[in-house]
This record gives sequence, C-alpha cells and structure tokens, in this order.
Amino acid sequence: KAGVTQTPRYLIKTRGQQVTLSCSPISGHRSVSWYQQTPGQGLQFLFEYFSETQRNKGNFPGRFSGRQFSNSRSEMNVSTLELGDSALYLCASSLARDRGRANYGYTFGSGTRLTVV
Amino acid sequence: AQSVTQLDSQVPVFEEAPVELRCNYSSSVSVYLFWYVQYPNQGLQLLLKYLSGSTLVKGINGFEAEFNKSQTSFHLRKPSVHISDTAEYFCAASTQGGSEKLVFGKGTKLTVNP
Repeated sequence: KAGVTQTPRYLIKTRGQQVTLSCSPISGHRSVSWYQQTPGQGLQFLFEYFSETQRNKGNFPGRFSGRQFSNSRSEMNVSTLELGDSALYLCASSLARDRGRANYGYTFGSGTRLTVV
Repeated sequence: AQSVTQLDSQVPVFEEAPVELRCNYSSSVSVYLFWYVQYPNQGLQLLLKYLSGSTLVKGINGFEAEFNKSQTSFHLRKPSVHISDTAEYFCAASTQGGSEKLVFGKGTKLTVNP
C-alpha cells in the first residue's frame, strides 16, 4: 500500500515568487492536513481538507492557501514568498470521516523542503 | 486552548539503557494523544496513540506510553534503547469530537550513544 506522497522533495525559490506543493494521500483517505515545520516554531498546523472542503485553518496569513481535488489529492500554495517561509512542509492523510468520529491517526509524507533565498 | 509540553529538549542515553520521554498536555476537553518519531530528512512516523480504554499503550519498535489523566501526562518509555532509536520524538494531541488538527510539542531529541 503506497504511503503519502509529497512532491517535490526539495525546492529553492526567490523572495516574492509563489510556490505550489502537492500531496497524494493514501488510497481511501479523505482527510488531508498540512503542517509547517521550522526550527524556531516547531510543527504548526496550516489547514485540513475533507471531501474538497477546508474544515479547519491554522493561524497563518492569507498568502498560504490550499485545495483538495475530488480524488483527495491536495495542493498548497504560498504566494509572495518571504525568507521566513523556508521550512519543511508536511502533509498528513487520515481515514477520518465525519468530524467527531474516532480519530484514526495520521500518516505523514516525507515532506517538501522549501528554501526561500 | 490545547497545548502540549515536552519537558526535555534533548535526552542523551547509552545503548541498552531505559529511557523516558516526558509529555504533558493541557486541554479543557478530552483528547486523543500521539507519539511520532522523525528521523533526519524524513517525515513523521506514528509510534503509538491513545484514543480510549487501557491507559498503557504499546507501539512499534518496543515503545510504550502511559496515559495519566490526573497528571495530564503521556510519557513515552522504552526499556532498552538501540543506536537506531536516535531521532526526534514528538508528542501530539487532538480534541475528541472536534477538529482533526494536531497540536504538537516542541520535540525531544533522543541521542543513543554506544
């Protein structure tokens, strides 16, 4: 069974550019979440999608956005990149169904390492 | 609001020694609790989770954790560590009946020395 696949693994972008990261969840998983990991702030929740709808959003500026497609694949976009956006971006998928049901846990991908120069 | 505190940022131990990584959580409602491990340049791998039931949870690679509601703790233990256990360990919580969002602790870097 394939795991969570994130592409690309590494990216180098210039300040002011925009970037799109991709995440393919485990087959059958309908919930996809995104996290940002930095040495200073640790792991922070960006947003969660379930059945193409954003269910929850973390405390990030509007430059960070995402979407989910009908096949549960998800993309996140960061516009007008800043040096502080350099981080490891992790995607996690879950079998979770409706909100409030038992939490099945999350499977994480290997991440996309974004460097902004 | 939820928060997760990992009390030690770094834990050095010798091979075959026991280890305990400490985690405390704060929440006004019931929570699910998780431990993840991250090896260099990799994502997070789930070690174990507490959803309900028995407070002693066994996970992969010989790890276990005990949920203590009165002390709001979820400490991770292993009776005998190996060099290959060297990694960063994260404790995380999510709210029962609420968002799927995980709140993570800052992580504990476990270094196993020969």
